[in-house]
Amino acid sequence: QQQVKQSPQSLIVQKGGISIINCAYENTAFDYFPWYQQFPGKGPALLIAIRPDVSEKKEGRFTISFNKSAKQFSLHIMDSQPGDSATYFCAAYQVGGNDMRFGAGTRLTVKP
Amino acid sequence: DAGVIQSPRHEVTEMGQEVTLRCKPISGHNSLFWYRQTMMRGLELLIYFNNNVPIDDSGMPEDRFSAKMPNASFSTLKIQPSEPRDSAVYFCASSFYGTSRNEQFFGPGTRLTVL
Repeated sequence: QQQVKQSPQSLIVQKGGISIINCAYENTAFDYFPWYQQFPGKGPALLIAIRPDVSEKKEGRFTISFNKSAKQFSLHIMDSQPGDSATYFCAAYQVGGNDMRFGAGTRLTVKP
Repeated sequence: DAGVIQSPRHEVTEMGQEVTLRCKPISGHNSLFWYRQTMMRGLELLIYFNNNVPIDDSGMPEDRFSAKMPNASFSTLKIQPSEPRDSAVYFCASSFYGTSRNEQFFGPGTRLTVL
């Protein structure tokens, strides 16, 4: 079932630093790539998403970079804050389908 | 809207017992998903429904697991008999199938412990 590979498994960043999480996918039919954020005791929630017709999408401190030829995409969190400490999941699916595939998750800890 | 509602939030049971998890999707959504989350395997899709019809149950681990969606506002995931290895957090999510965005909204999860 694992069609989306995510790394690293865990990440520790100092406050103010840049957090980078990487994902790679296999199925070239995927055409929608969301990132979900999950806090302890909560369900995942959509953070930001990108379509493959653009190479970058930015929302506040969060940026997705997308490399279609390499079948890779990454999440960058600028000026990381302790409140960003959570587990982040990348995902991929094909619009028109409904079967979203999630990465294994990255546990981010931002130290004050 | 109250979001996706799951019950119970926590369930502790003994091996061999039947467990039923419940989910109420967001009103108007026509797709419903059941996921299982563990430290070892991460977030796994178990089954999903479109318009109350099961579309893909290939993620259901074995015959002990079954899921139903009798109407658009209710779904159950049943484990019978339960085993310790079923201990996990089970999430229900819903979405509106047919839009380009297709965001899945997750419930708070049910933490299941099988002793």
